[in-house]
Amino acid sequence: QKEVEQDPGPLSVPEGAIVSLNCTYSNSAFQYFMWYRQYSRKGPELLMYTYSSGNKEDGRFTAQVDKSSKYISLFIRDSQPSDSATYLCAMSAGGFKTIFGAGTRLFVKA
Amino acid sequence: GAVVSQHPSWVICKSGTSVKIECRSLDFQATTMFWYRQFPKQSLMLMATSNEGSKATYEQGVEKDKFLINHASLTLSTLTVTSAHPEDSSFYICSVGGLAGYNEQFFGPGTRLTVL
Repeated sequence: QKEVEQDPGPLSVPEGAIVSLNCTYSNSAFQYFMWYRQYSRKGPELLMYTYSSGNKEDGRFTAQVDKSSKYISLFIRDSQPSDSATYLCAMSAGGFKTIFGAGTRLFVKA
Repeated sequence: GAVVSQHPSWVICKSGTSVKIECRSLDFQATTMFWYRQFPKQSLMLMATSNEGSKATYEQGVEKDKFLINHASLTLSTLTVTSAHPEDSSFYICSVGGLAGYNEQFFGPGTRLTVL
């Protein structure tokens, strides 16, 4: 079993839809949870950074962490074609090591 | 967040040659940088942790003699792929930790290496 599981997709939605991206994990020691966006042939860009459980909102993006279920989510409201990218979840117990999910490819159709 | 650059952005080389990739932290003094490899449609795999002024720490299964890492200053780390072979073709990405710690990583734009 992988430490972090993420459905690779692809996920295709119409413009304006609400997108839900999810990851599950097995290591209960994870305390830091991140979401990265990666455009094709580019490095990942940090979108959201959350410590422990709870919600965090930034513009059209909302990150949720449910440590009891070992489940994290990223919601994108009013999705735009420019949101089309691969979204990587990542998590860490602290220190240097960060574990990344496989990434979900998202396509937002105009 | 930190701004990270990489050079070159892409490189094609013949099998058996060595390739050096530079990673620069432009606005942040990074005592630690990370090197990742990413195969198509796969996630990031940490190769090594690069420490300024000391030897890099390699992940299990990564050949330290093949992937030479030098972190000579707080703003520059280099990865040299020695005697490259086609199976080394991949997307190599470096990152630095942010102000919130190493969990908050900022990535460079990546270097695509193709070995013929």
